Amino acid sequence: ILNVEQSPQSLHVQEGDSTNFTCSFPSSNFYALHWYRWETAKSPEALFVMTLNGDEKKKGRISATLNTKEGYSYLYIKGSQPEDSATYLCAFIQGAQKLVFGQGTRLTINP
Amino acid sequence: EAQVTQNPRYLITVTGKKLTVTCSQNMNHEYMSWYRQDPGLGLRQIYYSMNVEVTDKGDVPEGYKVSRKEKRNFPLILESPSPNQTSLYFCASRLTTGQGYEQYFGPGTRLTVT
Repeated sequence: ILNVEQSPQSLHVQEGDSTNFTCSFPSSNFYALHWYRWETAKSPEALFVMTLNGDEKKKGRISATLNTKEGYSYLYIKGSQPEDSATYLCAFIQGAQKLVFGQGTRLTINP
Repeated sequence: EAQVTQNPRYLITVTGKKLTVTCSQNMNHEYMSWYRQDPGLGLRQIYYSMNVEVTDKGDVPEGYKVSRKEKRNFPLILESPSPNQTSLYFCASRLTTGQGYEQYFGPGTRLTVT
């Protein structure tokens, strides 16, 4: 079973602060890495799909980077807002088929 | 509206009574997949399908069956449900032509097996 790890497991951040968290994945046979945002009582929604080493993607205050050679991706949130509270999942796709999720980072923004 | 639908959304059943959870997508996606979500374990892939009549096991396939007779539908079958299959189930789909396509998730099915 492929091992995809996210850290930290949970995070409490003050409103207005910036934060980041990590997804680690196997560096062999890389196909793509996905980031999802998952709010309570809803379904996961895609934030980013990253496919190339050195990729940097940005959507508003959220951005992500990718290093396929060393097997990690960072997600950054700038100026956290209460609506950013959610679980952030990364998912590693190896060989275009199997998709393995990390356990997620649960982010809580304190007003 | 592009979407993935699942039915039922909630189901309480008894051990051994066969059930099917349906999944349908209207985006002409080749790839479809089933996941279960359990506290502390995250989302784990049960089965996936690369296209019609092509299915393969994910990480936790025991006790489940799937079929892909049409592109839009990917039902999950529990022939003899057991209490350890109590979980939140998600169906998802995506395009497979190229790397840059995210998955779209259904609303989830909460299953309780007593």
